[in-house]
Amino acid sequence: QVQLQESGPGLVKPSQTLSLTCTVSGGSISSDDYYWSWIRQPPGKGLEWIGYIYYSGSTYYNPSLKSRVTISVDTSKNQFSLKLSSVTAADTAVYYCARDSRILIDYWGQGTLVTVSS
Amino acid sequence: DIQMTQSPSSVSASVGDRVTITCRASQGISSWLAWYQQKPGEAPKLLIYAASTLQSGVPSRFSGSGSGTDFTLTISSLQPEDFATYYCQQSYSTPVTFGGGTKVEIK
Repeated sequence: QVQLQESGPGLVKPSQTLSLTCTVSGGSISSDDYYWSWIRQPPGKGLEWIGYIYYSGSTYYNPSLKSRVTISVDTSKNQFSLKLSSVTAADTAVYYCARDSRILIDYWGQGTLVTVSS
Repeated sequence: DIQMTQSPSSVSASVGDRVTITCRASQGISSWLAWYQQKPGEAPKLLIYAASTLQSGVPSRFSGSGSGTDFTLTISSLQPEDFATYYCQQSYSTPVTFGGGTKVEIK
């Protein structure tokens, strides 16, 4: 059973960089079949796709966030990470990591709330 | 970006009712559509992918149909555990986009 777990600070100051890591267990992040995604959900709102990464390091970002986002992968640790720079209150959200086969997103982390506030 | 428009945004229904949710894409996406169920405080759960394929373990009262730009999620007989918010998602092209959600509430 594949499991994903987000970790990182729950509070980030405005203008700073949000950093989260997703640890994958029960399966290899180096699988040919999957991309590894970050998706966020502001409180009380809908889902927004941030981007995903393939184990080779190829990335695809949402153009609305592209200038501020970096997603990286560490296959030796079976982890992938998100960095979002120059955050504002609008970046306050529950951040999910997930496994994406391009047709479906079948495994999600539990989500972690990141609040941007001074 | 492909815009996904869901309707209605909310629906009140009773246990046993048939509920239909629609999702419209701003351009053709073939069958690259998935449906998710989300309950408060939980991550979304995959229900249907490729527009009409039921994910393993999902009850058969859920069904999906459509292709191109118009899609439907149907719950044939609403159960108490089905009260939740439902999202459609297209994966035809990046950026991946989601519908705004449909909240199914108890009548």
